[in-house]
Amino acid sequence: AQRVTQPEKLLSVFKGAPVELKCNYSYSGSPELFWYVQYSRQRLQLLLRHISRESIKGFTADLNKGETSFHLKKPFAQEEDSAMYYCAITQGGSEKLVFGKGTKLTVNP
Amino acid sequence: GAVVSQHPSRVICKSGTSVKIECRSLDFQATTMFWYRQFPKQSLMLMATSNEGSKATYEQGVEKDKFLINHASLTLSTLTVTSAHPEDSSFYICSASSGSGYNEQFFGPGTRLTVL
Repeated sequence: AQRVTQPEKLLSVFKGAPVELKCNYSYSGSPELFWYVQYSRQRLQLLLRHISRESIKGFTADLNKGETSFHLKKPFAQEEDSAMYYCAITQGGSEKLVFGKGTKLTVNP
Repeated sequence: GAVVSQHPSRVICKSGTSVKIECRSLDFQATTMFWYRQFPKQSLMLMATSNEGSKATYEQGVEKDKFLINHASLTLSTLTVTSAHPEDSSFYICSASSGSGYNEQFFGPGTRLTVL
């Protein structure tokens, strides 16, 4: 079964500091990986997906199949990045998302 | 991006009653809609997948007779919690996919159900 692990429930950094939100997955096939973000009092929204290899709001994530990881990184955190971040996976061809438990990021001024 | 709405945003009901939650895709046709449940401080758990015009596919452990899903049109899916009990109190979230592109799901704002 697919599983997504986000080891940190809470992560706190200062503005301007680098930030890395960890995500590890277990799946034997060809996964598609996503990062979703939920800002305070807003709905869940897609931040980025590994297949598009894009950078959104300064965030990047690289799929490392050897380490089965898809960590989310940003070199200089901003206060507006404070939110709940969820890593999610689908198996090839399926639209069903399996979510990690989420990491709450707080960027302090 | 595409917009998905849910109604109501919050509902309080007595134990034993049924509650219907609507999920609408406002500016696109959703071939597939998903229903999730989120307990406090926990992740989203997929309950079921519904495709327009066909029966929903439920995840293991989800009672299909308790959580009735109807996807009658390409813009509307409904979740009915039948004979609700306090343990059904939760945050229910729907998402919709147009079935094209990169399997992107667009999420509704969620419905907070409280069963007294």
